[in-house]
Amino acid sequence: GAVVSQHPSRVICKSGTSVKIECRSLDFQATTMFWYRQFPKQSLMLMATSNEGSKATYEQGVEKDKFLINHASLTLSTLTVTSAHPEDSSFYICSARQTENTEAFFGQGTRLTVV
Amino acid sequence: AQSVSQHNHHVILSEAASLELGCNYSYGGTVNLFWYVQYPGQHLQLLLKYFSGDPLVKGIKGFEAEFIKSKFSFNLRKPSVQWSDTAEYFCAVNAGGGFKTIFGAGTRLFVKA
Repeated sequence: GAVVSQHPSRVICKSGTSVKIECRSLDFQATTMFWYRQFPKQSLMLMATSNEGSKATYEQGVEKDKFLINHASLTLSTLTVTSAHPEDSSFYICSARQTENTEAFFGQGTRLTVV
Repeated sequence: AQSVSQHNHHVILSEAASLELGCNYSYGGTVNLFWYVQYPGQHLQLLLKYFSGDPLVKGIKGFEAEFIKSKFSFNLRKPSVQWSDTAEYFCAVNAGGGFKTIFGAGTRLFVKA
């Protein structure tokens, strides 16, 4: 299958700082990328959907000013957690797909720990 | 809004037992359906998918799933599980405006050797 690379895989940051997570589709052009958050022993919760060149669509309850998403190119989307707090500590996963009728491929995830 | 329901949160089986994991979704229109697996410490991998055609879908590692439109179901099956199938299994549905992919709560499968 296609490859989606997420970077970094782990990050520890101080409370109040911002952290950027990158999601790249390595061998295909991703018109849509998704950002999920996974709490321990729970499912993936969709945070937002981003289409290349347009603003991200956030799910209900997700603060768009806190979780900034940029999808500037067909191979790169970034999630920036601004003014991070310990409750933002979680596992963040991105996925990317080429079209509406193709499967999404997942990155390996980023473990964020805010201290 | 679409939603996905997985009936079993934890399943424990012995090797060679048969497996069936339930998945129901709520959406009246066209859907794409997926089962993903997450092995301990690894990222999500696609087991199988249904877009159209034969409602009985064969995936990797001996898994299969049947799409029953009238029941809004997409249950995952495997005739004989192995210890290496121990993992978490997620049903996912891709539908609606924007075709965003929504996941079920997941089922943790533990296979006893």
